[in-house]
Amino acid sequence: EAQVTQNPRYLITVTGKKLTVTCSQNMNHEYMSWYRQDPGLGLRQIYYSMNVEVTDKGDVPEGYKVSRKEKRNFPLILESPSPNQTSLYFCASSHRTGGHEQYFGPGTRLTVT
Amino acid sequence: AQKVTQAQTEISVVEKEDVTLDCVYETRDTTYYLFWYKQPPSGELVFLIRRNSFDEQNEISGRYSWNFQKSTSSFNFTITASQVVDSAVYFCALLYNQGGKLIFGQGTELSVKP
Repeated sequence: EAQVTQNPRYLITVTGKKLTVTCSQNMNHEYMSWYRQDPGLGLRQIYYSMNVEVTDKGDVPEGYKVSRKEKRNFPLILESPSPNQTSLYFCASSHRTGGHEQYFGPGTRLTVT
Repeated sequence: AQKVTQAQTEISVVEKEDVTLDCVYETRDTTYYLFWYKQPPSGELVFLIRRNSFDEQNEISGRYSWNFQKSTSSFNFTITASQVVDSAVYFCALLYNQGGKLIFGQGTELSVKP
């Protein structure tokens, strides 16, 4: 089954404790991206990757890191989480060309206390 | 600046009513794509439609229809004969920068009452 998976689905952590949210897709998509969703703000893009070893900033990259060492994986790293990073996070993937629709993962709800 | 505006934060209708969700966008790119996504109460994001900047044809899919007008930078979404299952948050989105950047509107929460 074609899908984007994220782990964990729920995470409660404390300020400053490094964490990684994993994202994996099995559709051989070149493009992957991370978003955060906050009430009243819609979804905002954090980082995206057009292909392996190619990443670029979205609209809200501060406080986040990403890497794209393999085509299927695109982890999101919070080196020192803060309470304002409490949010619902979505990973997505798509083919790179032609404005293909993005397939979204199920979301990761992160709470930083 | 690139921007997507969904001016309607919440809409409430009674079943079988028609409802239109508005989306206005801004972009300097000549090549871009527009999308509508649905987010039901369960939280997942469901793709509904894609339109590229060179294709202004309107589209109908069952009870759903979309009206894309470059002259007014709008990409509106109409649900005909709404049903309770249509209750969800609907997002309009703009893909630009050679397909790298995707920005969403704030979303419109649609509530369809029986």
